[in-house]
Amino acid sequence: EVQLMESGGDLVQPGRSLRLSCAASGFTFDNYAMHWVRQTPGKGLEWVSGITWNSDTSAYADSVRGRFTISRDNAKNSLYLHINSLRDDDTALYFCAKGRSGTNSYYFDFWGRGTLLTVSS
Amino acid sequence: EIVLTQSPDTLSLSPGERATLSCRASQAVASDYLAWYQQKPGQAPRLLIYGASSRATGIPGRFSGSGSGTDFTLTISRLEPEDFAVYYCQQYGASPLYSFGQGTKLEIK
Repeated sequence: EVQLMESGGDLVQPGRSLRLSCAASGFTFDNYAMHWVRQTPGKGLEWVSGITWNSDTSAYADSVRGRFTISRDNAKNSLYLHINSLRDDDTALYFCAKGRSGTNSYYFDFWGRGTLLTVSS
Repeated sequence: EIVLTQSPDTLSLSPGERATLSCRASQAVASDYLAWYQQKPGQAPRLLIYGASSRATGIPGRFSGSGSGTDFTLTISRLEPEDFAVYYCQQYGASPLYSFGQGTKLEIK
Protein backbone atom coordinates (compact mmCIF):
# COMPACT_ATOMS: atom_id res chain seq x y z
CA GLU A 1 0.00 0.00 0.00
CA VAL A 2 1.39 3.40 -1.01
CA GLN A 3 1.86 5.70 1.97
CA LEU A 4 3.10 9.27 2.05
CA MET A 5 3.54 10.94 5.40
CA GLU A 6 4.39 14.61 5.63
CA SER A 7 5.93 16.31 8.64
CA GLY A 8 7.61 19.53 9.65
CA GLY A 9 4.68 21.92 9.53
CA ASP A 10 4.61 24.45 12.35
CA LEU A 11 3.77 27.99 13.43
CA VAL A 12 6.67 30.09 12.16
CA GLN A 13 7.41 33.80 12.10
CA PRO A 14 7.69 35.65 8.78
CA GLY A 15 11.22 35.75 7.42
CA ARG A 16 12.27 32.47 9.04
CA SER A 17 13.12 29.20 7.28
CA LEU A 18 11.64 25.73 7.57
CA ARG A 19 12.03 22.28 6.05
CA LEU A 20 9.09 20.01 5.29
CA SER A 21 9.62 16.26 4.92
CA CYS A 22 7.70 13.43 3.31
CA ALA A 23 8.38 9.77 4.15
CA ALA A 24 7.32 7.37 1.41
CA SER A 25 6.61 3.64 1.58
CA GLY A 26 4.79 0.94 -0.34
CA PHE A 27 6.38 1.63 -3.73
CA THR A 28 9.81 1.90 -5.34
CA PHE A 29 10.48 5.51 -4.42
CA ASP A 30 13.42 6.07 -6.74
CA ASN A 31 11.34 5.15 -9.79
CA TYR A 32 9.01 8.13 -9.52
CA ALA A 33 8.96 11.89 -9.68
CA MET A 34 7.62 13.55 -6.55
CA HIS A 35 5.83 16.82 -5.94
CA TRP A 36 4.62 19.28 -3.34
CA VAL A 37 1.13 20.77 -3.63
CA ARG A 38 -0.35 23.24 -1.16
CA GLN A 39 -3.92 24.10 -0.29
CA THR A 40 -5.50 27.17 1.22
CA PRO A 41 -9.15 28.09 1.68
CA GLY A 42 -8.68 31.17 -0.48
CA LYS A 43 -6.54 29.92 -3.37
CA GLY A 44 -7.48 26.24 -3.38
CA LEU A 45 -4.94 23.71 -4.63
CA GLU A 46 -1.64 25.07 -5.93
CA TRP A 47 1.23 23.01 -7.31
CA VAL A 48 4.43 24.21 -5.67
CA SER A 49 7.34 22.11 -6.90
CA GLY A 50 8.36 18.80 -8.44
CA ILE A 51 11.55 16.74 -8.81
CA THR A 52 12.42 13.88 -11.15
CA TRP A 53 13.34 10.41 -9.90
CA ASN A 54 17.09 11.05 -9.99
CA SER A 55 16.98 14.72 -8.91
CA ASP A 56 18.22 15.75 -12.37
CA THR A 57 15.41 18.23 -12.87
CA SER A 58 13.32 20.26 -10.48
CA ALA A 59 10.59 22.77 -11.23
CA TYR A 60 8.84 25.46 -9.26
CA ALA A 61 5.73 27.60 -9.39
CA ASP A 62 6.50 31.24 -10.16
CA SER A 63 5.11 32.20 -6.75
CA VAL A 64 7.83 30.27 -4.88
CA ARG A 65 10.81 30.18 -7.24
CA GLY A 66 13.93 31.47 -5.53
CA ARG A 67 12.65 30.84 -1.99
CA PHE A 68 11.70 27.14 -2.11
CA THR A 69 14.09 24.25 -2.76
CA ILE A 70 12.90 20.71 -3.38
CA SER A 71 15.18 17.74 -2.80
CA ARG A 72 15.00 14.01 -2.22
CA ASP A 73 17.05 11.25 -0.63
CA ASN A 74 16.30 8.00 -2.43
CA ALA A 75 18.28 5.98 0.12
CA LYS A 76 15.88 7.20 2.80
CA ASN A 77 12.71 7.17 0.64
CA SER A 78 12.23 10.80 1.57
CA LEU A 79 11.23 14.04 -0.11
CA TYR A 80 11.96 17.49 1.28
CA LEU A 81 10.92 21.10 0.76
CA HIS A 82 13.15 23.79 2.17
CA ILE A 83 11.45 27.16 2.47
CA ASN A 84 13.33 30.41 3.02
CA SER A 85 12.05 33.90 3.83
CA LEU A 86 8.64 32.65 4.88
CA ARG A 87 5.72 34.95 4.09
CA ASP A 88 2.20 35.14 5.42
CA ASP A 89 0.85 33.82 2.11
CA ASP A 90 2.89 30.61 2.47
CA THR A 91 0.38 29.59 5.13
CA ALA A 92 -1.19 26.42 3.78
CA LEU A 93 -1.63 22.69 4.12
CA TYR A 94 1.30 21.16 2.22
CA PHE A 95 0.77 17.82 0.50
CA CYS A 96 3.40 15.44 -0.81
CA ALA A 97 2.22 13.78 -4.04
CA LYS A 98 3.58 10.94 -6.17
CA GLY A 99 3.95 11.41 -9.92
CA ARG A 100 2.88 8.77 -12.37
CA SER A 101 6.39 8.24 -13.76
CA GLY A 102 10.00 9.09 -13.14
CA THR A 103 10.01 12.22 -15.22
CA ASN A 104 7.00 13.92 -16.80
CA SER A 105 4.08 13.43 -14.43
CA TYR A 106 0.82 14.47 -16.00
CA TYR A 107 -1.04 13.88 -12.75
CA PHE A 108 -0.56 12.80 -9.14
CA ASP A 109 -1.68 9.26 -8.35
CA PHE A 110 -1.18 9.25 -4.56
CA TRP A 111 -1.16 12.00 -1.99
CA GLY A 112 -0.26 12.25 1.67
CA ARG A 113 -2.58 13.76 4.28
CA GLY A 114 -0.60 16.99 4.47
CA THR A 115 1.29 19.03 7.04
CA LEU A 116 0.08 22.46 8.15
CA LEU A 117 2.39 25.44 7.90
CA THR A 118 1.24 28.66 9.52
CA VAL A 119 3.28 31.81 9.02
CA SER A 120 2.43 34.49 11.54
CA SER A 121 4.11 36.89 13.92
CA GLU B 1 -1.31 30.79 -18.23
CA ILE B 2 -4.00 28.12 -18.40
CA VAL B 3 -6.89 28.78 -16.02
CA LEU B 4 -9.38 26.04 -15.21
CA THR B 5 -12.90 27.12 -14.25
CA GLN B 6 -15.23 24.56 -12.74
CA SER B 7 -19.00 24.79 -12.66
CA PRO B 8 -21.13 24.83 -10.73
CA ASP B 9 -19.40 25.88 -7.52
CA THR B 10 -21.90 23.80 -5.56
CA LEU B 11 -24.17 21.01 -6.79
CA SER B 12 -27.00 19.77 -4.57
CA LEU B 13 -28.30 16.32 -5.47
CA SER B 14 -29.80 13.25 -3.82
CA PRO B 15 -28.33 9.74 -3.65
CA GLY B 16 -29.22 7.81 -6.78
CA GLU B 17 -29.22 10.89 -9.00
CA ARG B 18 -26.76 11.64 -11.81
CA ALA B 19 -24.09 14.29 -11.29
CA THR B 20 -22.46 16.24 -14.10
CA LEU B 21 -19.48 18.45 -13.24
CA SER B 22 -17.84 20.78 -15.75
CA CYS B 23 -14.24 21.97 -16.15
CA ARG B 24 -13.49 24.63 -18.75
CA ALA B 25 -9.94 25.63 -19.70
CA SER B 26 -8.88 29.08 -20.89
CA GLN B 27 -6.76 27.40 -23.60
CA ALA B 28 -6.89 23.96 -25.16
CA VAL B 29 -5.57 21.15 -22.97
CA ALA B 30 -4.39 17.86 -24.44
CA SER B 31 -6.67 15.07 -23.25
CA ASP B 32 -3.70 13.13 -21.87
CA TYR B 33 -3.08 16.03 -19.52
CA LEU B 34 -6.46 16.38 -17.78
CA ALA B 35 -7.24 14.67 -14.45
CA TRP B 36 -9.99 14.71 -11.83
CA TYR B 37 -9.67 14.30 -8.04
CA GLN B 38 -12.07 13.80 -5.16
CA GLN B 39 -11.39 15.29 -1.74
CA LYS B 40 -13.32 14.65 1.45
CA PRO B 41 -12.94 16.83 4.58
CA GLY B 42 -9.68 16.15 6.38
CA GLN B 43 -8.46 13.78 3.68
CA ALA B 44 -5.95 13.91 0.85
CA PRO B 45 -7.18 14.32 -2.71
CA ARG B 46 -7.79 11.00 -4.45
CA LEU B 47 -7.15 10.50 -8.16
CA LEU B 48 -10.35 9.51 -9.98
CA ILE B 49 -9.73 10.07 -13.68
CA TYR B 50 -6.59 10.65 -15.74
CA GLY B 51 -6.13 11.23 -19.44
CA ALA B 52 -9.60 12.87 -19.39
CA SER B 53 -11.43 9.53 -19.46
CA SER B 54 -9.39 6.72 -17.85
CA ARG B 55 -10.43 5.59 -14.39
CA ALA B 56 -7.68 5.26 -11.80
CA THR B 57 -7.13 1.94 -10.06
CA GLY B 58 -9.98 1.01 -7.74
CA ILE B 59 -12.36 3.75 -8.89
CA PRO B 60 -15.95 2.49 -9.33
CA GLY B 61 -17.48 2.33 -12.77
CA ARG B 62 -20.09 4.97 -11.92
CA PHE B 63 -17.37 7.61 -12.35
CA SER B 64 -16.61 8.59 -15.93
CA GLY B 65 -14.74 11.42 -17.62
CA SER B 66 -15.12 12.92 -21.07
CA GLY B 67 -14.27 15.94 -23.14
CA SER B 68 -11.50 17.47 -25.18
CA GLY B 69 -9.95 20.80 -26.05
CA THR B 70 -11.29 23.30 -23.54
CA ASP B 71 -14.34 21.47 -22.17
CA PHE B 72 -14.20 18.45 -19.89
CA THR B 73 -16.85 16.69 -17.82
CA LEU B 74 -16.89 14.36 -14.84
CA THR B 75 -20.06 12.30 -14.57
CA ILE B 76 -21.19 10.20 -11.62
CA SER B 77 -23.98 8.01 -12.94
CA ARG B 78 -25.80 7.15 -9.70
CA LEU B 79 -24.67 8.96 -6.58
CA GLU B 80 -23.75 6.92 -3.52
CA PRO B 81 -23.63 8.53 -0.05
CA GLU B 82 -19.82 8.36 -0.07
CA ASP B 83 -19.61 10.43 -3.30
CA PHE B 84 -20.52 13.71 -1.61
CA ALA B 85 -17.24 15.60 -1.57
CA VAL B 86 -15.32 18.31 -3.40
CA TYR B 87 -14.09 17.55 -6.92
CA TYR B 88 -11.16 19.20 -8.68
CA CYS B 89 -9.94 19.10 -12.24
CA GLN B 90 -6.22 19.53 -12.97
CA GLN B 91 -4.19 20.13 -16.10
CA TYR B 92 -0.55 19.64 -17.02
CA GLY B 93 1.03 22.06 -19.43
CA ALA B 94 3.17 25.13 -19.72
CA SER B 95 3.03 28.01 -17.27
CA PRO B 96 1.99 26.96 -14.83
CA LEU B 97 3.23 23.42 -15.16
CA TYR B 98 0.20 22.19 -13.25
CA SER B 99 -2.98 24.02 -12.32
CA PHE B 100 -6.23 23.10 -10.63
CA GLY B 101 -9.78 24.27 -10.93
CA GLN B 102 -11.35 25.97 -7.92
CA GLY B 103 -13.43 22.89 -7.14
CA THR B 104 -17.08 21.85 -7.20
CA LYS B 105 -18.69 20.91 -3.92
CA LEU B 106 -21.17 18.06 -4.34
CA GLU B 107 -23.58 18.18 -1.42
CA ILE B 108 -26.57 16.14 -0.35
CA LYS B 109 -29.89 17.76 -1.18
